[in-house]
Order: sequence, then C-alpha cells, then structure tokens
Amino acid sequence: AQKVTQTQTSISVVEKTTVTMDCVYETRDSSYFLFWYKQTASGEIVFLIRQDSYKKENATVGHYSLNFQKPKSSIGLIITATQIEDSAVYFCAMREVDRGSALGRLHFGAGTQLIVIP
Amino acid sequence: EAAVTQSPRSKVAVTGGKVTLSCHQTNNHDYMYWYRQDTGHGLRLIHYSYVADSTEKGDIPDGYKASRPSQENFSLILELASLSQTAVYFCASSGTEVFFGKGTRLTVV
Repeated sequence: AQKVTQTQTSISVVEKTTVTMDCVYETRDSSYFLFWYKQTASGEIVFLIRQDSYKKENATVGHYSLNFQKPKSSIGLIITATQIEDSAVYFCAMREVDRGSALGRLHFGAGTQLIVIP
Repeated sequence: EAAVTQSPRSKVAVTGGKVTLSCHQTNNHDYMYWYRQDTGHGLRLIHYSYVADSTEKGDIPDGYKASRPSQENFSLILELASLSQTAVYFCASSGTEVFFGKGTRLTVV
C-alpha cells in the first residue's frame, strides 16, 4: 500500500505568489517524522524542512512552512513569495519507526513539479 | 558538511553483465540507503542498512544485492543487469535528516 501520496503532478504559479503542495500519508506508528525535499534541475536532492509528529506547531524554515493536519494525515508544503529558482520537483517523505528507533526507512511520494513563471 | 559520494556518476552496462555502484559517506551515520528513480517518478527504496555487515530489503529488492562492508561504504550490485534496471540511483545516509548523493545514471543496453 502506498504510504505517501502526492496527487498534484504539476503546479504553475506566478513569481512572488504563494503556493501550497499537498501530501497525505499512511502510518500505524504513533510517532513519525515528515519531510519535504526539493530535486533541482541538475538532479540534486536537497532537504528543505521537517515536521515531527508529536509537535503541534507547524515547522517554518525561511520561506518554507508546513501545514500539518495530523487528524487528516496531511502535511502540506507552503512556499511564500515564490522565486524563479523555486522551480523544481518537490517530494514529500515519511520516516517510519524501525526496530524501535525513530531512524527508520524513508518513504517518498511521487513528487510535484513546481513551475514558477515570471 | 554532510557528504555522500557516489561512484560512478554515470555508467553504461551491457545486458547480463555485472554492475557495482558504490557509495561513501563521511557523516558517521548508521543508516544508509539505495533508491531508484525512474524518469518522472519518485524514489523507491531498494535496500538499506543500519549497521556494517548487515543489509535489509526495501520495497523493490528483486534483481539487486547490497553490501555494507563498513559504516562508511554501501554498495549496490546488479549481478545480471537488465534493460528494466536503466534508471538513476541515489545513495543516502541518515542521522535525523537524510542526505543524498548526487546520483548515478545507469543505462543498460
């Protein structure tokens, strides 16, 4: 069964506006970790932001923030004041608990292509 | 700075041949992973390891073996490469966050 689902395959936005990318996940663990990664045109995969499931406050890093809705198993990525260089593929990921440790395997969604238009 | 180095960065292999992809990390991380990415798709976990001399199967292990001879090194082995294994392969290591290598583009002909 798919554990992480990103239904938006591609989004286009005008520069300097705000965009939200959706992600839903499945887990039976009471504690887990959620991540967003960016894959650039060169193929490099870069860590952006993380949300710990036990934290109620939404994580924020620079112009990236998260909309964590635990009852809906949803973790949206919000990018404010988008820039041309934000154009990339964005992956949502969830980290399972493995052998009682939080440092388990990482499951990825299929990704959302973001195109920022001047 | 966290570093994961993959080699080679690109390889063309013949169907039925043996391919070894190597990964080296200097992050002192216990966990290492091999992912496969097909064009226009997400990342799928092939094998992973949480300790030297031990590997675990991921979601798509068939046709692949893995080897973790030390904490720093993790290899992915294709004993009999097939056309369907043409893809980009990413190695990663993790503590709390996961750091990726730059990928290896494998073309099987």
